[in-house]
Amino acid sequence: DAKTTQPTSMDCAEGRAANLPCNHSTISGNEYVYWYRQIHSQGPQYIIHGLKNNETNEMASLIITEDRKSSTLILPHATLRDTAVYYCIVRPNNAGGTSYGKLTFGQGTILTVHP
Amino acid sequence: GAVVSQHPSWVICKSGTSVKIECRSLDFQATTMFWYRQFPKQSLMLMATSNEGSKATYEQGVEKDKFLINHASLTLSTLTVTSAHPEDSSFYICSASKQGDGYTFGSGTRLTVV
Repeated sequence: DAKTTQPTSMDCAEGRAANLPCNHSTISGNEYVYWYRQIHSQGPQYIIHGLKNNETNEMASLIITEDRKSSTLILPHATLRDTAVYYCIVRPNNAGGTSYGKLTFGQGTILTVHP
Repeated sequence: GAVVSQHPSWVICKSGTSVKIECRSLDFQATTMFWYRQFPKQSLMLMATSNEGSKATYEQGVEKDKFLINHASLTLSTLTVTSAHPEDSSFYICSASKQGDGYTFGSGTRLTVV
């Protein structure tokens, strides 16, 4: 599985955009990039995922570099409720492989949104 | 949207007893379910992957005889922690996948073994 590298922690002011980077330099061509977040003592919440193109939904935007070796999750207007651990995950898409479908979590980024 | 219900949300049990945790997909059929364990201030660690009607695939280092997984239907998977000990105290989380695309997590179960 491709490994991801994320900063341990980040701060963001309420109302400002939060840009969370993720490095996945060993990603292969058929692997997706997923982002989840986990608020304390809850299950992870899906945010967004993408393969090659940039993606946007009601929660966030995902910017993937052209070489796909890194990506950035953007929360356009962070609120206090966005304080959480954010996980960037690369998911294999090889149906014949032993790791098909598994989400392997790294340490994530602790995002703290302050007033 | 896809909803996964996990029950109980917390449980306290005596050392040596067994505890069963249920994971249900409420509005979709889950071809695959995953079980994770999370210790305080650590990330989620995948324990096993289960597909409906077949035996679970356990990650390296996870004792299959201690953590029994049953995935008898497309909407229900159970994790039974057998002969629980204090070191099994953890936050257990399930995840359900619909045809390998899209993963929804349960709210987790806090297990405390005393």
